[in-house]
Amino acid sequence: DAMVIQNPRYQVTQFGKPVTLSCSQTLNHNVMYWYQQKSSQAPKLLFHYYDKDFNNEADTPDNFQSRRPNTSFCFLDIRSPGLGDAAMYLCATSKGTAGEQYFGPGTRLTVT
Amino acid sequence: AQSVTQPDIHITVSEGASLELRCNYSYGATPYLFWYVQSPGQGLQLLLKYFSGDTLVQGIKGFEAEFKRSQSSFNLRKPSVHWSDAAEYFCAVGESGYSTLTFGKGTMLLVSP
Repeated sequence: DAMVIQNPRYQVTQFGKPVTLSCSQTLNHNVMYWYQQKSSQAPKLLFHYYDKDFNNEADTPDNFQSRRPNTSFCFLDIRSPGLGDAAMYLCATSKGTAGEQYFGPGTRLTVT
Repeated sequence: AQSVTQPDIHITVSEGASLELRCNYSYGATPYLFWYVQSPGQGLQLLLKYFSGDTLVQGIKGFEAEFKRSQSSFNLRKPSVHWSDAAEYFCAVGESGYSTLTFGKGTMLLVSP
């Protein structure tokens, strides 16, 4: 089945230690998104790639970076995680930006 | 800028009873509207969507939603709730062309026996 895969499902990192979260998709969608979701809150868009074009939300901290080496993969890098970055990180894809988004299961990040 | 309001943070419904979750949006033109469901610790699953045409849309798991332009609403309904429907529900709005989705804050549905 075509899907969005996120690895790992659970990640524990230390305060200030760089961490990378991975997302892959078999849907061949041209748009990929990264969201941050804190407990009992709506997903908050961090950035998205439209093909190779990177689009950063205005309020996304500089601490968050992303890479998309090819259509199928997208990475979220957190350069120096703080305690406030502990959250669920959701990857999503869509065909164009106006259509429905397909979400992965998420990666739960804990910062110790 | 578009926005979405889900006025109910929590709703408790008895199993077998009907359900309506409210969603109001703010957008100047005809929006694209979505309902997603999220079970604990999981990603979001699309329940249904409205782009154009028939204002009553059917989704998965027996859910439906009705687009009412005059009320700027897109309420989600289900005639008979099952215990497995307990989850958080998010309404989202997008616009045609190059745009991203704006999500509401979500409504947590609790199902009592």
